[in-house]
Amino acid sequence: DSGVTQTPKHLITATGQRVTLRCSPRSGDLSVYWYQQSLDQGLQFLIQYYNGEERAKGNILERFSAQQFPDLHSELNLSSLELGDSALYFCASSVGAGGHTDTQYFGPGTRLTVL
Amino acid sequence: SQQGEEDPQALSIQEGENATMNCSYKTSINNLQWYRQNSGRGLVHLILIRSNEREKHSGRLRVTLDTSKKSSSLLITASRAADTASYFCATDAYSGAGSYQLTFGKGTKLSVIP
Repeated sequence: DSGVTQTPKHLITATGQRVTLRCSPRSGDLSVYWYQQSLDQGLQFLIQYYNGEERAKGNILERFSAQQFPDLHSELNLSSLELGDSALYFCASSVGAGGHTDTQYFGPGTRLTVL
Repeated sequence: SQQGEEDPQALSIQEGENATMNCSYKTSINNLQWYRQNSGRGLVHLILIRSNEREKHSGRLRVTLDTSKKSSSLLITASRAADTASYFCATDAYSGAGSYQLTFGKGTKLSVIP
């Protein structure tokens, strides 16, 4: 158990809909990262928040957005969903802002299925 | 885009044998990390090697890094059935504006047969 929690575990929805994924980082960690894992693209970095502020942006679509709240939990919002958005979405957390020896600890993931 | 590329894509060995996985990358890195993922589960951090280190050990794991060849290898000695999982290398590199980004390869799927 990494100490990172994600809800829900599974999500099934229809094309065009909007969903929200939630992540609680390990106690004491200030950074939250979101990743998407699909069979064809592998594990792709989406976005990082550090202490409430956006820190780094990866391959995140404009239809997706995220935020980190004052209690440091984070939400990833996915809208206008398409079939290709079906994937495992992971959240990870780390103590610092990243780099050097800042290890990321991953949550169990949310499996999103878009029908 | 993929930074690290693991080789082989899949590996099947007998319990007790050693397993070696390789990772190649393209750009300068700050450090390189190896993660394990059991089927459909979260990634578990195994080991981190800094760019100025050449070799690192952790239990049955041995990681090497050759920055001149932009490659790394992960050796698991005396493998066990419980080592069956996918193994990913991830390169940590500066991505601008004071931030770092971890980029994962597509992984090596290891099967250890009892």
